[in-house]
Amino acid sequence: EVQLVESGGGLVQPGGSLRLSCAASGFTFISNWMHWVRQAPGKGLVWVSRIKSDGRTTVYADSVKGRFTISRDNAYNTLYLQMNSLRAEDTAVYYCARETTGGWLDPWGQGTLVTVSS
Amino acid sequence: QSVLTQPPSASGTPGQRVTISCSGSRSNIGSNAVNWYQQLPGTAPKLLIYNNNQRPSGVPDRLSGSKSGTSASLAISGLQSEDEADYYCAAWDDSLSGHVFGSGTEVTVL
Repeated sequence: EVQLVESGGGLVQPGGSLRLSCAASGFTFISNWMHWVRQAPGKGLVWVSRIKSDGRTTVYADSVKGRFTISRDNAYNTLYLQMNSLRAEDTAVYYCARETTGGWLDPWGQGTLVTVSS
Repeated sequence: QSVLTQPPSASGTPGQRVTISCSGSRSNIGSNAVNWYQQLPGTAPKLLIYNNNQRPSGVPDRLSGSKSGTSASLAISGLQSEDEADYYCAAWDDSLSGHVFGSGTEVTVL
């Protein structure tokens, strides 16, 4: 069964840092681009970042560019999101998702909640 | 503010047909496939329709997608209580070099 499990969320003060992880299983991790998508409380989905299968190409939404870094460890089938200089508006559930060869996202992980507050 | 525009809500009685629209631009829907995701209350999004009108295995044929120009739509026929959820359209945007999502539509079964 294809599965993605996020971890690493929690409460952090404004200006702080947090690293999210997404453990993948049930598929050949090195074959797929991977994504992070977030959802603020009561709001819609917002795409955050994307990384190529070999880790050499990354893309970011303007709202996180320069503050967030996406990476992956293909030896451990794990996707990461390093979040620095966190702001209150970064408060959200963060989902990781696999990009299929056709470009759609499937499946999604269960999400991990990040709360930025003093 | 979302790049793709959806109505905030839609509703119908059991058995009725509900349609959700998704409006974009040439750089996203006009150039790339549209995908739809369903998010049941308290759960993660799930792929519902891909490549404009294809259903993953397990998705009933009561749900269908279509695309024309810079707009797309999702239709749910034979509405059931289990269809109560939020629905999001999405597409790749060539100008932004990223995925864009619609604002989401909450479907209520009356």
